[in-house]
Amino acid sequence: KAGVTQTPRYLIKTRGQQVTLSCSPISGHRSVSWYQQTPGQGLQFLFEYFSETQRNKGNFPGRFSGRQFSNSRSEMNVSTLELGDSALYLCASSLNRDTDTQYFGPGTRLTVL
Amino acid sequence: AQKITQTQPGMFVQEKEAVTLDCTYDTSDQSYGLFWYKQPSSGEMIFLIYQGSYDEQNATEGRYSLNFQKARKSANLVISASQLGDSAMYFCAMREDYKLSFGAGTTVTVRA
Repeated sequence: KAGVTQTPRYLIKTRGQQVTLSCSPISGHRSVSWYQQTPGQGLQFLFEYFSETQRNKGNFPGRFSGRQFSNSRSEMNVSTLELGDSALYLCASSLNRDTDTQYFGPGTRLTVL
Repeated sequence: AQKITQTQPGMFVQEKEAVTLDCTYDTSDQSYGLFWYKQPSSGEMIFLIYQGSYDEQNATEGRYSLNFQKARKSANLVISASQLGDSAMYFCAMREDYKLSFGAGTTVTVRA
């Protein structure tokens, strides 16, 4: 089975722009979660999607949003980019919501200039 | 409040030796899951091992074993027979409310 894929792998944007990151889960997995990793804050939970609905959201401003499609693929969007949004964005998928292991993709490294 | 604490920022280990990575956690839930992930310099988080709070036996996966002490709220990872490819960052994580909370990580460097 193919693993979690994320596109693009690298992005460079400037302040004020917006960005969309994509995540394709492992086939059959229905839950997709997003995490932000920075040197200062470590790994932080952004949000979780299941059955095309956001089920859980971390402590991030409204500039961070996402969605999930009927095939379980997910996108996250960051509007009005700030320098502090520079990070590795990791997507993880699991079969279901609660008891299953989350498997991560390779991440998208976003640099905001 | 920090939910997952990894007190060892970095460790060196000789090839073929065992290494123990410490992890303590804080929760008031009875049902939770504990995970260890490996993150090489490429950035991808690789799942290593899982321990459920109700599991009575310590989890093992190949060269990885988890020393679970529920009363002490600790879930230490033991890597046996270290290999050069084990050099990476290791994260302990706890699942609560459908999301993972991660520790700060421990960098392991395996020396030949």
